[in-house]
Amino acid sequence: SQQGEEDPQALSIQEGENATMNCSYKTSINNLQWYRQNSGRGLVHLILIRSNEREKHSGRLRVTLDTSKKSSSLLITASRAADTASYFCATDRNSGYSTLTFGKGTMLLVSP
Amino acid sequence: ETGVTQTPRHLVMGMTNKKSLKCEQHLGHNAMYWYKQSAKKPLELMFVYSLEERVENNSVPSRFSPECPNSSHLFLHLHTLQPEDSALYLCASSQLPGQGAEEQFFGPGTRLTVL
Repeated sequence: SQQGEEDPQALSIQEGENATMNCSYKTSINNLQWYRQNSGRGLVHLILIRSNEREKHSGRLRVTLDTSKKSSSLLITASRAADTASYFCATDRNSGYSTLTFGKGTMLLVSP
Repeated sequence: ETGVTQTPRHLVMGMTNKKSLKCEQHLGHNAMYWYKQSAKKPLELMFVYSLEERVENNSVPSRFSPECPNSSHLFLHLHTLQPEDSALYLCASSQLPGQGAEEQFFGPGTRLTVL
Protein backbone atom coordinates (compact mmCIF):
# COMPACT_ATOMS: atom_id res chain seq x y z
CA SER A 1 0.00 0.00 0.00
CA GLN A 2 1.12 3.55 -0.62
CA GLN A 3 3.20 5.02 2.15
CA GLY A 4 4.27 8.57 1.42
CA GLU A 5 1.73 11.23 0.58
CA GLU A 6 3.19 14.59 -0.37
CA ASP A 7 1.46 17.87 0.13
CA PRO A 8 0.95 20.08 -1.77
CA GLN A 9 0.71 18.33 -5.15
CA ALA A 10 2.03 21.46 -6.85
CA LEU A 11 3.78 24.58 -5.60
CA SER A 12 4.65 27.73 -7.53
CA ILE A 13 6.97 30.35 -6.02
CA GLN A 14 9.35 33.13 -7.01
CA GLU A 15 13.12 32.86 -6.92
CA GLY A 16 14.48 33.68 -3.49
CA GLU A 17 11.41 32.43 -1.64
CA ASN A 18 11.38 29.34 0.54
CA ALA A 19 9.55 26.18 -0.49
CA THR A 20 8.08 23.75 2.02
CA MET A 21 6.80 20.31 1.10
CA ASN A 22 5.19 17.87 3.49
CA CYS A 23 5.00 14.10 3.53
CA SER A 24 2.84 11.78 5.61
CA TYR A 25 3.15 8.04 5.91
CA LYS A 26 1.26 5.22 7.52
CA THR A 27 3.48 2.50 8.98
CA SER A 28 6.70 2.35 11.00
CA ILE A 29 9.87 3.17 9.12
CA ASN A 30 13.62 2.76 9.40
CA ASN A 31 14.37 5.96 7.51
CA LEU A 32 12.74 8.48 5.23
CA GLN A 33 14.38 9.84 2.12
CA TRP A 34 13.71 12.75 -0.22
CA TYR A 35 14.42 12.56 -3.93
CA ARG A 36 14.21 15.03 -6.78
CA GLN A 37 13.26 14.31 -10.38
CA ASN A 38 13.61 16.60 -13.33
CA SER A 39 10.99 16.05 -16.01
CA GLY A 40 11.09 12.48 -17.36
CA ARG A 41 14.50 11.75 -15.88
CA GLY A 42 15.87 9.54 -13.12
CA LEU A 43 15.59 10.42 -9.47
CA VAL A 44 18.40 12.05 -7.52
CA HIS A 45 18.79 11.42 -3.81
CA LEU A 46 18.69 14.59 -1.71
CA ILE A 47 18.74 13.63 1.93
CA LEU A 48 18.07 10.71 4.29
CA ILE A 49 16.77 11.05 7.83
CA ARG A 50 16.67 8.09 10.19
CA SER A 51 13.75 7.28 12.47
CA ASN A 52 15.73 8.36 15.55
CA GLU A 53 16.59 11.77 14.07
CA ARG A 54 14.37 14.84 14.20
CA GLU A 55 16.09 17.28 11.88
CA LYS A 56 18.79 17.25 9.25
CA HIS A 57 20.42 19.88 7.06
CA SER A 58 22.22 19.70 3.76
CA GLY A 59 23.11 22.98 2.08
CA ARG A 60 19.84 24.83 1.41
CA LEU A 61 17.79 21.79 2.41
CA ARG A 62 16.29 21.19 5.83
CA VAL A 63 14.34 18.04 6.61
CA THR A 64 12.32 17.34 9.74
CA LEU A 65 10.81 14.07 10.88
CA ASP A 66 8.05 13.59 13.42
CA THR A 67 7.55 9.87 13.97
CA SER A 68 4.68 10.44 16.42
CA LYS A 69 2.73 12.18 13.65
CA LYS A 70 4.24 10.03 10.91
CA SER A 71 5.17 13.10 8.93
CA SER A 72 8.18 14.81 7.43
CA SER A 73 8.82 18.15 5.78
CA LEU A 74 11.39 19.34 3.26
CA LEU A 75 12.32 23.02 3.26
CA ILE A 76 14.29 24.51 0.39
CA THR A 77 15.57 27.96 1.31
CA ALA A 78 16.37 30.78 -1.11
CA SER A 79 14.96 28.85 -4.05
CA ARG A 80 16.40 29.11 -7.54
CA ALA A 81 14.88 28.49 -10.97
CA ALA A 82 17.10 25.39 -11.18
CA ASP A 83 15.19 23.92 -8.21
CA THR A 84 12.19 23.45 -10.50
CA ALA A 85 11.48 19.70 -10.37
CA SER A 86 9.28 17.09 -8.75
CA TYR A 87 10.14 16.13 -5.19
CA PHE A 88 9.31 12.75 -3.68
CA CYS A 89 9.48 11.37 -0.20
CA ALA A 90 10.16 7.67 0.18
CA THR A 91 9.92 5.54 3.28
CA ASP A 92 12.24 2.60 3.88
CA ARG A 93 11.08 -0.25 6.06
CA ASN A 94 14.53 -1.89 5.81
CA SER A 95 13.80 -5.59 5.78
CA GLY A 96 17.46 -6.50 5.32
CA TYR A 97 17.69 -4.50 2.10
CA SER A 98 16.47 -1.06 1.09
CA THR A 99 12.79 -1.12 0.15
CA LEU A 100 11.49 2.31 -0.74
CA THR A 101 7.82 3.21 -1.04
CA PHE A 102 7.29 6.50 -2.83
CA GLY A 103 4.53 9.09 -2.70
CA LYS A 104 3.08 10.86 -5.75
CA GLY A 105 5.36 13.83 -5.33
CA THR A 106 5.18 17.61 -5.22
CA MET A 107 5.81 19.49 -8.44
CA LEU A 108 7.75 22.67 -7.63
CA LEU A 109 7.95 25.55 -10.10
CA VAL A 110 10.35 28.35 -9.28
CA SER A 111 9.91 31.40 -11.49
CA PRO A 112 12.77 33.85 -12.12
CA GLU B 1 25.79 11.12 -13.96
CA THR B 2 24.75 8.89 -11.07
CA GLY B 3 26.89 5.87 -12.01
CA VAL B 4 23.82 3.92 -13.18
CA THR B 5 23.21 3.62 -16.91
CA GLN B 6 20.16 2.31 -18.72
CA THR B 7 19.66 1.29 -22.34
CA PRO B 8 17.78 1.93 -24.45
CA ARG B 9 16.55 5.34 -23.37
CA HIS B 10 13.43 5.06 -25.53
CA LEU B 11 11.65 1.95 -26.78
CA VAL B 12 8.53 1.50 -28.86
CA MET B 13 7.23 -2.03 -29.20
CA GLY B 14 4.18 -3.90 -30.36
CA MET B 15 2.24 -6.18 -28.06
CA THR B 16 3.72 -9.30 -29.66
CA ASN B 17 7.36 -8.18 -29.50
CA LYS B 18 10.04 -9.37 -27.12
CA LYS B 19 12.55 -6.84 -25.91
CA SER B 20 14.92 -6.36 -23.00
CA LEU B 21 15.88 -3.37 -20.90
CA LYS B 22 19.43 -3.20 -19.57
CA CYS B 23 20.82 -1.55 -16.48
CA GLU B 24 24.44 -1.31 -15.40
CA GLN B 25 25.86 0.20 -12.24
CA HIS B 26 29.48 1.24 -11.76
CA LEU B 27 29.24 1.96 -8.04
CA GLY B 28 30.14 -1.40 -6.51
CA HIS B 29 26.65 -1.75 -5.04
CA ASN B 30 25.15 -5.12 -4.13
CA ALA B 31 21.44 -4.42 -4.44
CA MET B 32 19.56 -3.48 -7.61
CA TYR B 33 15.96 -2.50 -8.26
CA TRP B 34 13.40 -2.08 -11.04
CA TYR B 35 10.69 0.57 -10.70
CA LYS B 36 7.78 1.54 -12.92
CA GLN B 37 6.66 5.16 -13.13
CA SER B 38 3.30 5.75 -14.80
CA ALA B 39 1.59 9.08 -15.28
CA LYS B 40 -0.29 10.24 -12.20
CA LYS B 41 0.75 7.20 -10.12
CA PRO B 42 3.45 6.85 -7.49
CA LEU B 43 6.70 5.17 -8.39
CA GLU B 44 6.09 1.44 -8.05
CA LEU B 45 8.76 -0.99 -6.91
CA MET B 46 8.74 -4.05 -9.19
CA PHE B 47 11.71 -6.21 -8.27
CA VAL B 48 14.59 -6.19 -5.79
CA TYR B 49 17.83 -8.12 -6.16
CA SER B 50 20.14 -8.44 -3.18
CA LEU B 51 23.52 -10.09 -3.77
CA GLU B 52 22.20 -11.26 -7.16
CA GLU B 53 19.26 -13.06 -5.58
CA ARG B 54 15.71 -11.88 -6.23
CA VAL B 55 14.31 -11.00 -2.83
CA GLU B 56 11.15 -9.13 -3.76
CA ASN B 57 8.59 -9.39 -6.54
CA ASN B 58 5.72 -7.00 -5.98
CA SER B 59 2.95 -8.90 -7.75
CA VAL B 60 4.38 -8.07 -11.13
CA PRO B 61 2.77 -9.87 -14.11
CA SER B 62 4.83 -12.66 -15.61
CA ARG B 63 5.18 -10.76 -18.89
CA PHE B 64 7.95 -8.91 -17.02
CA SER B 65 10.92 -11.16 -16.30
CA PRO B 66 13.98 -9.82 -14.47
CA GLU B 67 17.49 -11.21 -14.64
CA CYS B 68 20.55 -10.33 -12.59
CA PRO B 69 23.59 -12.18 -13.97
CA ASN B 70 26.03 -10.36 -11.68
CA SER B 71 26.05 -7.53 -9.17
CA SER B 72 26.67 -4.89 -11.85
CA HIS B 73 24.01 -5.81 -14.38
CA LEU B 74 20.24 -6.06 -14.29
CA PHE B 75 17.87 -6.86 -17.13
CA LEU B 76 14.12 -6.66 -17.55
CA HIS B 77 12.85 -8.97 -20.27
CA LEU B 78 9.54 -7.95 -21.81
CA HIS B 79 7.10 -10.06 -23.80
CA THR B 80 3.47 -9.74 -24.89
CA LEU B 81 3.08 -6.42 -23.12
CA GLN B 82 -0.13 -4.42 -22.96
CA PRO B 83 -0.60 -0.72 -23.78
CA GLU B 84 -1.06 0.01 -20.06
CA ASP B 85 2.52 -1.14 -19.54
CA SER B 86 3.69 2.04 -21.26
CA ALA B 87 5.68 3.94 -18.64
CA LEU B 88 9.12 5.10 -17.56
CA TYR B 89 11.10 2.14 -16.21
CA LEU B 90 13.77 3.10 -13.74
CA CYS B 91 16.66 1.04 -12.46
CA ALA B 92 18.39 1.81 -9.18
CA SER B 93 21.18 0.41 -7.05
CA SER B 94 22.30 0.73 -3.46
CA GLN B 95 24.45 -0.77 -0.77
CA LEU B 96 22.85 -3.20 1.62
CA PRO B 97 21.96 -1.80 5.06
CA GLY B 98 24.93 -1.90 7.38
CA GLN B 99 27.37 -1.74 4.47
CA GLY B 100 27.17 1.96 3.79
CA ALA B 101 24.69 4.66 2.97
CA GLU B 102 21.25 3.34 2.03
CA GLU B 103 20.20 5.88 -0.53
CA GLN B 104 19.40 4.55 -3.97
CA PHE B 105 21.10 5.76 -7.13
CA PHE B 106 18.82 5.87 -10.15
CA GLY B 107 19.48 5.53 -13.84
CA PRO B 108 17.90 7.95 -16.34
CA GLY B 109 15.16 5.46 -17.19
CA THR B 110 13.78 3.82 -20.32
CA ARG B 111 10.66 5.42 -21.76
CA LEU B 112 8.60 2.47 -23.01
CA THR B 113 5.64 2.81 -25.34
CA VAL B 114 3.56 -0.26 -26.14
CA LEU B 115 1.42 0.04 -29.25
